[in-house]
Amino acid sequence: EAQVTQNPRYLITVTGKKLTVTCSQNMNHEYMSWYRQDPGLGLRQIYYSMNVEVTDKGDVPEGYKVSRKEKRNFPLILESPSPNQTSLYFCASSLSQGDYGYTFGSGTRLTVV
Amino acid sequence: KNQVEQSPQSLIILEGKNCTLQCNYTVSPFSNLRWYKQDTGRGPVSLTIMTFSENTKSNGRYTATLDADTKQSSLHITASQLSDSASYICVVSDGQNFVFGPGTRLSVLP
Repeated sequence: EAQVTQNPRYLITVTGKKLTVTCSQNMNHEYMSWYRQDPGLGLRQIYYSMNVEVTDKGDVPEGYKVSRKEKRNFPLILESPSPNQTSLYFCASSLSQGDYGYTFGSGTRLTVV
Repeated sequence: KNQVEQSPQSLIILEGKNCTLQCNYTVSPFSNLRWYKQDTGRGPVSLTIMTFSENTKSNGRYTATLDADTKQSSLHITASQLSDSASYICVVSDGQNFVFGPGTRLSVLP
């Protein structure tokens, strides 16, 4: 089944403790992206990647890192999480940037205390 | 600035009734427009995609319309069901980037 898999689904952590949210897609998509969703603000793009080793900042990149060493994986890294990063995170992939629709993962609900 | 606006912000209807959600955009150039359905806490799922030349696209009880001249789209839901309760997000592409609307929260009551 074609899908985007995120892990974990739920995560509670403490301020400053590094964490990684994994994202993997099995559709051979070139374009991958991370979004965060907060009440009343809709989906905001954090980082995106057009292909292996090609990443760029989205609208809200502060406090996040990403890497794209393989085409299928696009992990989101929070080096020093803070409470304002408490949010619902979605990974998404697309055949290419802009022209095709996204397939979204099921989401990761992160709470930083 | 490329923007997508949606109205209403939220909507409550009774089961079996029809409803229409609106999407206005200023994205240019225009490549395509998609409507997504997002259940609470889940990832959005694509309902329809429309390109410049398409005026109407249906997916079961969901019918999307597009007026590229006025830069408006609507999503009509017929004979609503409890499972239609979700957020509906309009996303417009300029061929390079996706611009997301804030979504309309629909609640269908029995």
